[in-house]
Amino acid sequence: DQQVKQNSPSLSVQEGRISILNCDYTNSMFDYFLWYKKYPAEGPTFLISISSIKDKNEDGRFTVFLNKSAKHLSLHIVPSQPGDSAVYFCAASFGYGGSQGNLIFGKGTKLSVKP
Amino acid sequence: DAGVIQSPRHEVTEMGQEVTLRCKPISGHNSLFWYRQTMMRGLELLIYFNNNVPIDDSGMPEDRFSAKMPNASFSTLKIQPSEPRDSAVYFCASSSSTGSDEQYFGPGTRLTVT
Repeated sequence: DQQVKQNSPSLSVQEGRISILNCDYTNSMFDYFLWYKKYPAEGPTFLISISSIKDKNEDGRFTVFLNKSAKHLSLHIVPSQPGDSAVYFCAASFGYGGSQGNLIFGKGTKLSVKP
Repeated sequence: DAGVIQSPRHEVTEMGQEVTLRCKPISGHNSLFWYRQTMMRGLELLIYFNNNVPIDDSGMPEDRFSAKMPNASFSTLKIQPSEPRDSAVYFCASSSSTGSDEQYFGPGTRLTVT
């Protein structure tokens, strides 16, 4: 049973507009959430994260929102650029600190930003 | 820093053969993770090590898979014997216990078993 779900396998957005990627989770014990970006033939790269004690974290064009009551998080990219075209993975963990180990990933959403 | 290094980048082998995937984590990182990515199941954690000790291998699919970390700078994932259903991209990642849960991924090894 998937604990982290990304229900949209793909998303297409016009350059300059907002991209919103969504992620739902089932386990209320998750303590930390991350977004990774993956280009073809490369490994995932860390993009932005949020602790469960916060509801928003912003880094440049990227903002992650967390709604704990709904067990939902979203990644907003504003403005979207063609270079943002990639697969975006949502991930969750039970603790803070790399030695906690287990990141549980969603299956990813492929974002296409059209010029 | 060179990042996480994986070899080979591509591996094509015949069913029944032994396959060994290699990983060099980022220097100073003390946690190492092996993932497998397939279309059906996405990114799955196979095993992770902390300070060279296997902590959780519950994701290892079966006894044909084994992983070792003989020292802080090297890990292997071995499949013996390999089967066509093992075809996937295998990623190694590392992280530091003094930091966040952010893991740094290698470029992956694309394994094809015919």
